Amino acid sequence: AQSVSQHNHHVILSEAASLELGCNYSYGGTVNLFWYVQYPGQHLQLLLKYFSGDPLVKGIKGFEAEFIKSKFSFNLRKPSVQWSDTAEYFCAVRTSGGGADGLTFGKGTHLIIQP
Amino acid sequence: GAGVSQSPSNKVTEKGKDVELRCDPISGHTALYWYRQSLGQGLEFLIYFQGNSAPDKSGLPSDRFSAERTGGSVSTLTIQRTQQEDSAVYLCASSRGTGETQYFGPGTRLLVL
Repeated sequence: AQSVSQHNHHVILSEAASLELGCNYSYGGTVNLFWYVQYPGQHLQLLLKYFSGDPLVKGIKGFEAEFIKSKFSFNLRKPSVQWSDTAEYFCAVRTSGGGADGLTFGKGTHLIIQP
Repeated sequence: GAGVSQSPSNKVTEKGKDVELRCDPISGHTALYWYRQSLGQGLEFLIYFQGNSAPDKSGLPSDRFSAERTGGSVSTLTIQRTQQEDSAVYLCASSRGTGETQYFGPGTRLLVL
């Protein structure tokens, strides 16, 4: 079965700092990749997704992620974070085919942005 | 409605009681998913529906858990004889079809005393 690893459980940054959150998955076949965000008191929202094509994908609020197949990675980046980016970030993978359609999530990264 | 809705938003029950959680997907979405979010286990997939059928029940943790969907819309997740380890937030998501992006509801926070 596939698994997803998020290397940083807690990250604290100052406003305007650059952000990179790591995500690695274990599955050798075709995958769809996602980053979801959960702001305090709110439900999970989709930040960005990769299905196919250009491995550099851009999402909402200035976030982007790069799919590197050889490294089984899908790291999330933002050049300059804001206080409002404080949230929990989840990487998720779905393997295509085989009748399974549920997402496998990483444990999440709790990001705190200090003003 | 505009998004996925779930009810109740919070549920407190006693160990051994049965509970029913409800999910109302986005209108027109044929696929519906249940997940569980707990401190120890993170976000876990439970079951998904395509229409009224459930091709993948692999994530249901025990036979105390069951789910159904009728009319291709509303789904209920039932937990029988609840245990304290069932305490978690139960999330529902829907998508236009299998393989499409999943949109999540606000969840039901279940506490088993």
